[in-house]
Order: sequence, then structure tokens, then C-alpha cells
Amino acid sequence: DGGITQSPKYLFRKEGQNVTLSCEQNLNHDAMYWYRQDPGQGLRLIYYSQIVNDFQKGDIAEGYSVSREKKESFPLTVTSAQKNPTAFYLCASGTGNEKLFFGSGTQLSVL
Amino acid sequence: SQQGEEDPQALSIQEGENATMNCSYKTSINNLQWYRQNSGRGLVHLILIRSNEREKHSGRLRVTLDTSKKSSSLLITASRAADTASYFCATDFNSGYSTLTFGKGTMLLVSP
Repeated sequence: DGGITQSPKYLFRKEGQNVTLSCEQNLNHDAMYWYRQDPGQGLRLIYYSQIVNDFQKGDIAEGYSVSREKKESFPLTVTSAQKNPTAFYLCASGTGNEKLFFGSGTQLSVL
Repeated sequence: SQQGEEDPQALSIQEGENATMNCSYKTSINNLQWYRQNSGRGLVHLILIRSNEREKHSGRLRVTLDTSKKSSSLLITASRAADTASYFCATDFNSGYSTLTFGKGTMLLVSP
């Protein structure tokens, strides 16, 4: 099956802990994105990568970090510096700005 | 903010009725897209309309674009309970932005 896979579906973070959200795609897309969605809100861009070994900050990058060592993978780390991490995180991939394919999301909550 | 703004925020209709959602934006675009999100899931691309197009159809979906008014509408005809979801517009601005900008969405409830 071609697609984009996020894991885990649910994640809990303790105070002061870093957690990493996984995103893998087998669609051969150059571009990958991380969005944050709060209840009743739209999507806000955290980071994006248009090519391997390169990535750019989005609108709300503070407290987050990413890497893009492989075309297929774009993990997101939520660091302890992110004081309000509870949200639904969505990963997407695409070619240009024509059409994005989304994963099924990770719900992150704070213990 | 440059993001698109959907209107209404929420819409409740009966099965068989048509549902219309609107999206307004502030600067010129290359294209505008509509996505659907079922509760707790990722977004699914529905349709893309380019800046030089005025109307597109896909099944029960009809999208219009009025670049002079900087607005788009999504019409779902003969709605079904399975159409219950949130609908988002996403704009590809041609002002140097290299990513899509999403609105806050319209939550559609279709009752049997």
C-alpha cells in the first residue's frame, strides 16, 4: 500500500521529556510537512522539508526539531521547551503545492 | 493573517440537502484546494482549482473561484450522513510562500 504512516497514534509526554513522532512515506515525494492542529482550529505549519538534508521553520517552530536524513522519513521531536504540546500532529507529503497526502495523525497529551 | 477563512464555522443540514461552504483569502493565489477531515483523522484532498479557472466539478462536489472577490465556494449536492466532516480550504499564495496555508475549517453535520 502506498501512503504516509504516522506513529504512534497516541503519545503521552511527561514534564521535561522530549518525545519523537514518526512519519514515513513511500510515495516518493520530495516534500514533507508537519502541522499542529488544536481543537476547532486549522492547521499550523511547524516545519517542512523540500529535499533530503534540508528543512525550514514554519510558523510555530519554537520547541520543536526535525531531521530529514532519508527521503522517506521526517521525524518530529517535541522538546521540553514546548510548554503547550497537547495537540493533534499531522504529517503530510507532496510534490509542489498541488496536493498533499496526510497521515492519520498523532494525538500528543501531557501527563 | 494570510490564511483563508471559511464560512460558516459550522453547518447542520438534513440528508439530501445541499451544503455550501465559502472560503475567503487576502492575496493573489496560484491555486486553491479543498480538503476533508473526519474526526480524529488526517486530511484528504478533494479538489484543486487554479487561479485561471472559475468552476470545477468532481462527483457531487462543485467548486467555484472568484479571484476578483478573493473567494471560493464548495458545494456538496445531495448530501449524505457520510459527508459529516470538517472541510478546509488551502491556498497556494504566489507572494513567495512555498507552502499551503490552511483555514480554520467548516464543520458539516449531515443528519439522517
